[in-house]
Amino acid sequence: DIQMTQSPSSLSASVGDRVTITCRASQSISSYLNWYQQKPGKAPKLLIYAASSLQSGVPSRFSGSGSGTDFTLTISSLQPEDFATYYCQQSYSTTITFGQGTRLEIK
Amino acid sequence: EVQLVESGGGLVKPGRSLRLSCTASGFTFGDYAMSWFRQAPGKGLEWVGFIRSKAYGGTTEYAASVKGRFTISRDDSKSIAYLQMNSLKTEDTAVYYCTRDPTGVDWFDPWGQGTLVTVSS
Repeated sequence: DIQMTQSPSSLSASVGDRVTITCRASQSISSYLNWYQQKPGKAPKLLIYAASSLQSGVPSRFSGSGSGTDFTLTISSLQPEDFATYYCQQSYSTTITFGQGTRLEIK
Repeated sequence: EVQLVESGGGLVKPGRSLRLSCTASGFTFGDYAMSWFRQAPGKGLEWVGFIRSKAYGGTTEYAASVKGRFTISRDDSKSIAYLQMNSLKTEDTAVYYCTRDPTGVDWFDPWGQGTLVTVSS
């Protein structure tokens, strides 16, 4: 299985900060990488697909980049509603795998 | 509006069975693969498996942790996907989510609200 590793596992930041979360795949996955946001008690929400495409309805402060094995999710200016857990997910292999999650907390 | 609603969760003893349903609306159900994921309490997301659309053969794929115990099926006439869970173990305790995508190996949107399965004696 393709292993996905996110860093950091947790992050404290303030409203207005620029935040970057990294996801690394154990092998090349081209651009088959998606990002989700999950708030406590809620289902995951798709933010970015195919590494850099913004899902409809998602604010433009979210962006994704990368290809091969290294990917990033950037939030350009944190808003109060962005404090949540973020997961990367590879769709290169039939066996879908996720990163362990990055918990974004208010500083 | 695309909606997915899971049902059928509850408390079940180890070794017993449970069937979850995912009722879809707002899109042409038969055109999509339907996937199941789960999230154990306080843990991350885990893929369970998916069933392809008829156009892609209607075949299934499963995670190693559930293969041979869980079965995914679909009823396109009712727009429902099922997750039959047999020989349940305590480690199957989780919130189970269904979602959709064109092939089973793309990006998943939207997700249902989830249904909690607790396996305990």
